[in-house]
Amino acid sequence: TQLLEQSPQFLSIQEGENLTVYCNSSSVFSSLQWYRQEPGEGPVLLVTVVTGGEVKKLKRLTFQFGDARKDSSLHITAAQPGDTGLYLCAGLYTGGFKTIFGAGTRLFVKA
Amino acid sequence: NAGVTQTPKFRILKIGQSMTLQCAQDMNHNYMYWYRQDPGMGLKLIYYSVGAGITDKGEVPNGYNVSRSTTEDFPLRLELAAPSQTSVYFCASSYKLQGLGFADTQYFGPGTRLTVL
Repeated sequence: TQLLEQSPQFLSIQEGENLTVYCNSSSVFSSLQWYRQEPGEGPVLLVTVVTGGEVKKLKRLTFQFGDARKDSSLHITAAQPGDTGLYLCAGLYTGGFKTIFGAGTRLFVKA
Repeated sequence: NAGVTQTPKFRILKIGQSMTLQCAQDMNHNYMYWYRQDPGMGLKLIYYSVGAGITDKGEVPNGYNVSRSTTEDFPLRLELAAPSQTSVYFCASSYKLQGLGFADTQYFGPGTRLTVL
C-alpha cells in the first residue's frame, strides 16, 4: 500500500509565527500537490510541484519538493488566522494513475 | 460557472436504507471522482470515471455503485446503508489528458455529510 504521511497532524500557533508541515513517502512521486480545505468545504488546490528540488512560492507560502521526489514541505511565514484549515498533500506516484491523499495537517492560527 | 455541485448537503439514514448522492459539474471535465473523508484519515477514493459510460473502482468501493451516463453527472448510490458509511462524501472533477502521467487539478464540491444510524 502506497502511503503519504503528513506531520504534524495538528498544529496550533499564534498569529505571526512561522511553521512548516511535512509530507513523506517511501515511494517516488512523479508530481505532488498541496490542497487547503476549510471547514464545511471541499479541498482547493494550492500548488503542484513536479521537479526534484523545486521550490514554489505563493505569497507567504513556500512549497518545496525533495531532491529525490519522495517528500515535500510547506512553510508558512507570519501565519494569519485566515491560514487556518486542513492542509492535504496529494501525490501521483511514478507509473501510477490515481492521486493518493495524505491524512492532512490541521492548522489553527490564533489571533 | 457553478463548478462542482453536490446534493444533499446533509442526510441521516437508517441502517439498510438506500440513497443516491448527486454530483454535477459544468466545466466539461472528462474525469470525475467520489471520495469519502473520515476524521484523521484523509480522502479515500471510492470510484472514478474517465468519461461518460466508463467507471472504475477506487480504494474503497464496497457498498457503493456509480454510473456516468453523461459528462456532467456522476451519482453515487448506497444500496444498504451501514454505520461504517457514516462520513463526508466529496465529488471532484478534472480535465486530464489520456496517458499523461501528471497530476491533474481536481475541483471539489462542497461535500455531503452522511450519518447512518
